[in-house]
Amino acid sequence: DAGVTQSPTHLIKTRGQQVTLRCSPKSGHDTVSWYQQALGQGPQFIFQYYEEEERQRGNFPDRFSGHQFPNYSSELNVNALLLGDSALYLCASSRGTVGSTQYFGPGTRLTVL
Amino acid sequence: KQEVTQIPAALSVPEGENLVLNCSFTDSAIYNLQWFRQDPGKGLTSLLLIQSSQREQTSGRLNASLDKSSGRSTLYIAASQPGDSATYLCAAALTGGGNKLTFGTGTQLKVEL
Repeated sequence: DAGVTQSPTHLIKTRGQQVTLRCSPKSGHDTVSWYQQALGQGPQFIFQYYEEEERQRGNFPDRFSGHQFPNYSSELNVNALLLGDSALYLCASSRGTVGSTQYFGPGTRLTVL
Repeated sequence: KQEVTQIPAALSVPEGENLVLNCSFTDSAIYNLQWFRQDPGKGLTSLLLIQSSQREQTSGRLNASLDKSSGRSTLYIAASQPGDSATYLCAAALTGGGNKLTFGTGTQLKVEL
């Protein structure tokens, strides 16, 4: 049983560029959440997708957007990259949207130069 | 706004010692609390999830407790081993907050031979 997978593993971009990160949830899971983890900090919630719609959003600007596909996989898009967007981006999947165990992927390390 | 704090930020112990990691949260209206392990540069591995109606959960050498009234959770690790060295994160899901997790900044544990 494959767990949560994310691609790419690492990414280097320059300021002002746009980036797309991808996530495939654990088998049987229908909900995907995205988190940003800066160095030395705990993960911060970006948003959550369920039934191809954004259901919850954290305190992140509109430069951060997402999408969920019919097969439950998800993308995170970040426009107009800033140096401060450099972080580990984590995807988590779960069954349903309320209180179930969340399983995290290995993350995508984004570096903005 | 839920705030989660973990103390200590770092801990170094000799192999074989029993230890306790602390997590406190400001909003007692939590749905559940989850403990994770994170190895350097990696994703999060779920260790234990405690529902709000439970007082504790156990898995092998790990035991997590939850006291909603005092806003605290503890993770007890018995007979620590060098392989336990990692950062341990706690995260709270609020009632009515769906699956959104609010994380602490973690406790970095080093178990020495």
